[in-house]
Amino acid sequence: KQEVTQIPAALSVPEGENLVLNCSFTDSAIYNLQWFRQDPGKGLTSLLLIQSSQREQTSGRLNASLDKSSGRSTLYIAASQPGDSATYLCAVLGGATNKLIFGTGTLLAVQP
Amino acid sequence: NAGVTQTPKFQVLKTGQSMTLQCAQDMNHNSMYWYRQDPGMGLRLIYYSASEGTTDKGEVPNGYNVSRLNKREFSLRLESAAPSQTSVYFCASSEALGGQGFLYFGPGTRLTVT
Repeated sequence: KQEVTQIPAALSVPEGENLVLNCSFTDSAIYNLQWFRQDPGKGLTSLLLIQSSQREQTSGRLNASLDKSSGRSTLYIAASQPGDSATYLCAVLGGATNKLIFGTGTLLAVQP
Repeated sequence: NAGVTQTPKFQVLKTGQSMTLQCAQDMNHNSMYWYRQDPGMGLRLIYYSASEGTTDKGEVPNGYNVSRLNKREFSLRLESAAPSQTSVYFCASSEALGGQGFLYFGPGTRLTVT
């Protein structure tokens, strides 16, 4: 059974710092991996989607990488801003199913 | 474009009461989903609809029923609410099934069952 883990559960950094969020999964037979952002009391917003054949995707200050063989993905945020404060979740789509399996998220606080 | 809308935003039920959560999307997406989010458990799929006229169970379907009323609307019904169903419920839609494309989420319904 696919399990998705995000460590740490919470992270606090000063504004301007570059940071990395981690996501690991137990079954490397995935179709794709997605990163989402969730603001307090709101729904999820898709940030990046990496297909299993890709190694990374970039959008603005965000860069997501995927290493299927080691079961890991990272989300790199450059020059963090207070507006980046949110919970970041990763989710994997397994090769054998059509269902996304979510991690429990990392709560990021960027201090001004 | 409103995206994915959900009603109501908040609801309090007594044990045994029933209610229907409504979801609609205006992006002409084929697939729609219902998730619940609980602290420490992440998002778990309750039911999904790959296309109009079809519905399938997800990870945690017990105690719920769904209806794909048309391509736009996908409702979730609790027939006899239980305290274990206290959660935040999210509806989502995508052009393709599963996570093959981006998922678009609604703002959520916060449900408390006493």
